[in-house]
Amino acid sequence: GENVEQHPSTLSVQEGDSAVIKCTYSDSASNYFPWYKQELGKRPQLIIDIRSNVGEKKDQRIAVTLNKTAKHFSLHITETQPEDSAVYFCAASIRGSARQLTFGSGTQLTVLP
Amino acid sequence: EAQVTQNPRYLITVTGKKLTVTCSQNMNHEYMSWYRQDPGLGLRQIYYSMNVEVTDKGDVPEGYKVSRKEKRNFPLILESPSPNQTSLYFCASSRTVADTQYFGPGTRLTVL
Repeated sequence: GENVEQHPSTLSVQEGDSAVIKCTYSDSASNYFPWYKQELGKRPQLIIDIRSNVGEKKDQRIAVTLNKTAKHFSLHITETQPEDSAVYFCAASIRGSARQLTFGSGTQLTVLP
Repeated sequence: EAQVTQNPRYLITVTGKKLTVTCSQNMNHEYMSWYRQDPGLGLRQIYYSMNVEVTDKGDVPEGYKVSRKEKRNFPLILESPSPNQTSLYFCASSRTVADTQYFGPGTRLTVL
């Protein structure tokens, strides 16, 4: 089955700096890559996703890039703010199939004031 | 309001005592799944369901059962809970596996 590895497990940045979280996946058939944010004590929520027919997608301060050849994708957060502090999960699945959604192990991002 | 609900939110039980965690969604989603969340291990899928009467094992199905008799409900059954099933459980639903997953509020289970 699919295996998704996520790095780093913890990340601390100064407010206003950028943060980058990277994920690699094993199944070359995967073509849907979402990112979820989980604030302390709350449920995960989708913040951005990308499909394999595009290489980059942006939404205000967050962006995701995808390199299908290398089988990795990354989350970029610019101008970080304290409210960005949370656990971030990447995931991968195969669109249009019955396959499952496989999550990475998560990254605890702390934005220091 | 579109939502996924789970009950109970917190449960402390003893080894071997059968329990059911309910999950319900009102978005007419076909895909539903259960995850467990443990520190350092992320979200691991237990079971998923593509539609009514269609279920399949995820990455960690041992010790769990599910059923999907109605589209909106997807209960998780622990027939004989053990301490290693102490965890935070999330139910989720989506239109398909490759669409936004809407998570329930979570169920914190402790098995003594």
